[in-house]
Amino acid sequence: QPVLTQSSSASASLGSSVKLTCTLSSGHSSYIIAWHQQQPGKAPRYLMKLEGSGTYNKGSGIPDRFSGSSSGADRYLAISNLQSEDEADYYCETWDSNTQVFGGGTKLTVL
Amino acid sequence: QVQLLQSGAEVKKPGASVKVSCKASGYMFTTYGISWVRQAPGQGLEWMGWISTYNGNTNYAQKFQGRVTMTTDTSTSTVYMELRSLRSDDTAIYYCATKVTTVEYWGQGTLVTVSS
Repeated sequence: QPVLTQSSSASASLGSSVKLTCTLSSGHSSYIIAWHQQQPGKAPRYLMKLEGSGTYNKGSGIPDRFSGSSSGADRYLAISNLQSEDEADYYCETWDSNTQVFGGGTKLTVL
Repeated sequence: QVQLLQSGAEVKKPGASVKVSCKASGYMFTTYGISWVRQAPGQGLEWMGWISTYNGNTNYAQKFQGRVTMTTDTSTSTVYMELRSLRSDDTAIYYCATKVTTVEYWGQGTLVTVSS
């Protein structure tokens, strides 16, 4: 079963860019993942599906400021022109045989 | 549009059971399975299990085996999650979620509080 590793926290200034990382465990580097955003007090919201090739497909209404990329076992979520509403927890997720796995989440602070 | 509407908050005593519902709309219910995910206060997301809405097959996380039962009612497009022998550390928000094609949708969450 895959394991997803995320940094616990990140910070960046309003209007700047940030790149969050999710790393797949050994032997699972080809797995597709999804990124979810959870704003304080709200349910998670699907952002995108991200393949090992770097191809990503965003959910409806997700701003162009959000993009994804991949390198080996690493999956990235990039956010440009940071807004105050981007301050949230970001989780990566993958799945294998009807089993889901979540990363520990990254708390993004917008300074 | 795809919607997952969950039942309201619950307060239970230790040792009791809770049953949370998740009513789906906006897509063909029996085509996509539904997962349950919980989040304890201040913690991350924890997958509990998955149910096929087509035939009722389930796959539970090992941690919850023997204590959780997920069921489906195709007549009302509703999935249920029952958790038994509740403990204080079961206090959490419980979410249902589904992937329709490749897009994942979440319910609004149900707060379950376990307290004596």
